[in-house]
Amino acid sequence: GEDVEQSLFLSVREGDSSVINCTYTDSSSTYLYWYKQEPGAGLQLLTYIFSNMDMKQDQRLTVLLNKKDKHLSLRIADTQTGDSAIYFCAERSMDSNYQLIWGAGTKLIIKP
Amino acid sequence: DGGITQSPKYLFRKEGQNVTLSCEQNLNHDAMYWYRQDPGQGLRLIYYSQIVNDFQKGDIAEGYSVSREKKESFPLTVTSAQKNPTAFYLCASSKGQGYGEQYFGPGTRLTVT
Repeated sequence: GEDVEQSLFLSVREGDSSVINCTYTDSSSTYLYWYKQEPGAGLQLLTYIFSNMDMKQDQRLTVLLNKKDKHLSLRIADTQTGDSAIYFCAERSMDSNYQLIWGAGTKLIIKP
Repeated sequence: DGGITQSPKYLFRKEGQNVTLSCEQNLNHDAMYWYRQDPGQGLRLIYYSQIVNDFQKGDIAEGYSVSREKKESFPLTVTSAQKNPTAFYLCASSKGQGYGEQYFGPGTRLTVT
């Protein structure tokens, strides 16, 4: 079945860029999403990209999509302590009746 | 302010008891979802509803039940048949089925001892 994979942890220094990676298996994905979860809270949508796009930029966030390799990344420029959270990648797939398939989440740790 | 509310934030129950988690939204969304989150795992879909009086099982529906009598409300009952109910439960909604832009409530942490 469909699968979405992410590394569980990423540690970066404050002020550096963070790059969170995600791979997926379903070639019928239409949209791919990045959600953020702060400790003890629900998830909030950060950004998304349509599958026919290569890149999307939104302020400090840059999403890159390599459809050939089924690889998605989220780059956060000038990482701040407020960016500490778990970041989830999700794909919306025709094969799963348009339900979201979720990665396990990457915990972003900011070092001072 | 539009949004989704879940109550309570923390819930403690003894084994063998059923418990109902509340989820309400005032976003006028048609679709609502219940997810379970365990440490180190992605979100797993328990049930979803595309419209009032209709709901579908997700990947891990065993031991859970839902109802959708009103558009705004989608309560989840964790029954005594659920073998490992201690988890963080998240409710979400979207404009309709297939919209990946989901809005989440703050979650309910259920502990069963």
